[in-house]
Amino acid sequence: TQLLEQSPQFLSIQEGENLTVYCNSSSVFSSLQWYRQEPGEGPVLLVTVVTGGEVKKLKRLTFQFGDARKDSSLHITAAQPGDTGLYLCAGADNAGNMLTFGGGTRLMVKP
Amino acid sequence: ETGVTQTPRHLVMGMTNKKSLKCEQHLGHNAMYWYKQSAKKPLELMFVYNFKEQTENNSVPSRFSPECPNSSHLFLHLHTLQPEDSALYLCASRSGRLTGELFFGEGSRLTVL
Repeated sequence: TQLLEQSPQFLSIQEGENLTVYCNSSSVFSSLQWYRQEPGEGPVLLVTVVTGGEVKKLKRLTFQFGDARKDSSLHITAAQPGDTGLYLCAGADNAGNMLTFGGGTRLMVKP
Repeated sequence: ETGVTQTPRHLVMGMTNKKSLKCEQHLGHNAMYWYKQSAKKPLELMFVYNFKEQTENNSVPSRFSPECPNSSHLFLHLHTLQPEDSALYLCASRSGRLTGELFFGEGSRLTVL
């Protein structure tokens, strides 16, 4: 079983601060996805990273896939209250059939 | 709007009731999933259907019974549930890309009394 560990589990910060969320595994994934889930909603895909070392930017969010494709990070610059939510990473197997989800990082950004 | 619709959004049922959760996707995907999301636990995969055939049953108790009549619809039939089954049940469809992105519905919040 492939396991993904996310850290921190909880994060409460003030608006304007920067933060980084980590997603680590001992397994290699063919790709890794990040989702955000807001209260009362289902997770929504933010990004998919495929290549080791890949960096993708989505406005104030920067996603990085580790060189060995075992880990990933999400960095948010100048966090805003709208960034509040549960951030989930998920790794895909070679066939893209199965996703292993991390336990999530619950972020709260206070105004 | 993700293209995946779940009903009902909220359900309260007794332990002896029988109810069903419904999921419909308008994305033309061929794979659909049921996940269980409990507080303080990672998303738990329950069932996977590919082209209407069940390809994964993640040791789910028989009191949960899935049904997939076609690639656009997925049901989860519930009977004689336990209070610990209270959770958010999420349906998702999977894109045909190799990276297998999931598109989730908004979930059905189930409370078992």
